[in-house]
Amino acid sequence: QKEVEQNSGPLSVPEGAIASLNCTYSDRGSQSFFWYRQYSGKSPELIMSIYSNGDKEDGRFTAQLNKASQYVSLLIRDSQPSDSATYLCAVHTVNQGGKLIFGQGTELSVKP
Amino acid sequence: KAGVTQTPRYLIKTRGQQVTLSCSPISGHRSVSWYQQTPGQGLQFLFEYFSETQRNKGNFPGRFSGRQFSNSRSEMNVSTLELGDSALYLCASSLEQGYYEQYFGPGTRLTVT
Repeated sequence: QKEVEQNSGPLSVPEGAIASLNCTYSDRGSQSFFWYRQYSGKSPELIMSIYSNGDKEDGRFTAQLNKASQYVSLLIRDSQPSDSATYLCAVHTVNQGGKLIFGQGTELSVKP
Repeated sequence: KAGVTQTPRYLIKTRGQQVTLSCSPISGHRSVSWYQQTPGQGLQFLFEYFSETQRNKGNFPGRFSGRQFSNSRSEMNVSTLELGDSALYLCASSLEQGYYEQYFGPGTRLTVT
């Protein structure tokens, strides 16, 4: 089992729809969770961090965390073509001395 | 505040050579991490430096090394380059060790021929 797993994608949604990106992790002791957005040819950009169970909202983005299920998700409301990018889930692991482990990423395409 | 800067942005080397990449963190950030990104393996952790000491290391061979200076700037070195070392090398800085909101630089694209 990979330490951090994401839907392989690509995920295609129409403009204005809600995009739902999912991530599961294996280290039950993990405490910090992040979503990064990476445009093609660019470096990852931090867009959300979440540390407690429940929802955290920032503009059109909502991160959801369920530690019991070892699951974190990112919802993008009113998706725009400019949201088209690869979204990376990152988890701070307690095992192995504590590292930030990234999933393989989910490619999102928002169609006008 | 200026972001993370990395130099050079692009590099072409031949097998067997060595390379040094540089990273300047965001002002006030004291922790620097390095990652390798390839299409097949994704983003993989190389190492983390804080207070001029390597605090954590990923599963890479000893050909990959790094260091951090007293001003928090960091360098990574790859010796005896192999074709498989071709990748985007990313540096990320964070405020303190264990504070994992990391901010990435633009990366150095290394091509080994």
